[in-house]
Amino acid sequence: DVKVTQSSRYLVKRTGEKVFLECVQDMDHENMFWYRQDPGLGLRLIYFSYDVKMKEKGDIPEGYSVSREKKERFSLILESASTNQTSMYLCASTTPRPEGLDQPQHFGDGTRLSIL
Amino acid sequence: AQSVTQLDSQVPVFEEAPVELRCNYSSSVSVYLFWYVQYPNQGLQLLLKYLSGSTLVKGINGFEAEFNKSQTSFHLRKPSVHISDTAEYFCAVTLIYNQGGKLIFGQGTELSVKP
Repeated sequence: DVKVTQSSRYLVKRTGEKVFLECVQDMDHENMFWYRQDPGLGLRLIYFSYDVKMKEKGDIPEGYSVSREKKERFSLILESASTNQTSMYLCASTTPRPEGLDQPQHFGDGTRLSIL
Repeated sequence: AQSVTQLDSQVPVFEEAPVELRCNYSSSVSVYLFWYVQYPNQGLQLLLKYLSGSTLVKGINGFEAEFNKSQTSFHLRKPSVHISDTAEYFCAVTLIYNQGGKLIFGQGTELSVKP
């Protein structure tokens, strides 16, 4: 079974802090994603990565950056945390197409981040 | 641009009753369609997917969905729900030619099954 592990289930930080959210997958997937989940808004893509050291902006990248130094690890960074970044953050991974044509994204259990 | 609309934010239903969760999408190009479920305090897991072929697809836990191209819909159904089906359900699409598998999600529907 694919395992996507997010380092923290719950995290409380203060405004202005630099925050790191870590995600590790064990299935040698090339593609990794960071989403935030807010009530009534569903999941919105922040950043994604197709390969090591490669990143692309999603729909809401402002205030975030990412790092992918190793294939299995994809980190989300809040450069200077603000209260409007309080949310649930979900990491996912998948294989690229065409060989992974019908492969779904596999999700971690999420990190519930509160910025005070 | 693509978008996904889940028409109901909350669906309360009694145990053993049938349920339908509605999903409409908008896209100028062909898409693949998915339903994911999120149980409390967990990540998302795949319920079912439509890639091609038969428009009626069956998934895990007795759920099924029907792809209707003319109505651009992909509604999720279950003939008899259980308490354990209480969860949030997300409809999502991805472009067929999107090499990265990037998903576009709907807003989610909270299914609440009451005894």
